[in-house]
Amino acid sequence: QQPVQSPQAVILREGEDAVINCSSSKALYSVHWYRQKHGEAPVFLMILLKGGEQKGHEKISASFNEKKQQSSLYLTASQLSYSGTYFCGPFSSGSARQLTFGSGTQLTVLP
Amino acid sequence: EAGVAQSPRYKIIEKRQSVAFWCNPISGHATLYWYQQILGQGPKLLIQFQNNGVVDDSQLPKDRFSAERLKGVDSTLKIQPAKLEDSAVYLCASSPRSQETQYFGPGTRLLVL
Repeated sequence: QQPVQSPQAVILREGEDAVINCSSSKALYSVHWYRQKHGEAPVFLMILLKGGEQKGHEKISASFNEKKQQSSLYLTASQLSYSGTYFCGPFSSGSARQLTFGSGTQLTVLP
Repeated sequence: EAGVAQSPRYKIIEKRQSVAFWCNPISGHATLYWYQQILGQGPKLLIQFQNNGVVDDSQLPKDRFSAERLKGVDSTLKIQPAKLEDSAVYLCASSPRSQETQYFGPGTRLLVL
């Protein structure tokens, strides 16, 4: 089952902050976050492992709540280059350990 | 380090025709993935290889789709016969091992008329 991302879309002004949430119905082993710009392939941002710490990438950080099976991506002081579609990719626990991407959150940063 | 290579980049075919996509992963990456991404949706895993063995093909429509990874390096994905709903971007990704960072190729945009 596909993880649920919220919001589906968000529009920001440069310098503003945003939070993207990802929720899964399955027990999770890890969560990956990717960003995809229009017409391009997804690019890896970060991975959060079960029992691991919050990770950061430039002014982008993320958290992983194993008990709630949720992850959140935090974009601080957004830049124009942050525009794109953000996907969470939780790896479910169990033998399959399949990565299932969410439906995506379209982020637009305006000057 | 060279990235994941895919070809062709674009393909237009008519329904019921066949088509094949090629992927060359990053050197040394044991795990290779094929995804289908329909416009406005997240990538959907079609098949995952570990070296030259299939790890997961549960979402591959096996009546029309097939994939192979000979010698554990390059891979091809074939659709025969194609349907209108197969119009999508087909992404290939590789990772050093399963569950690690995936590196995506530029994708092949398929349009079925």
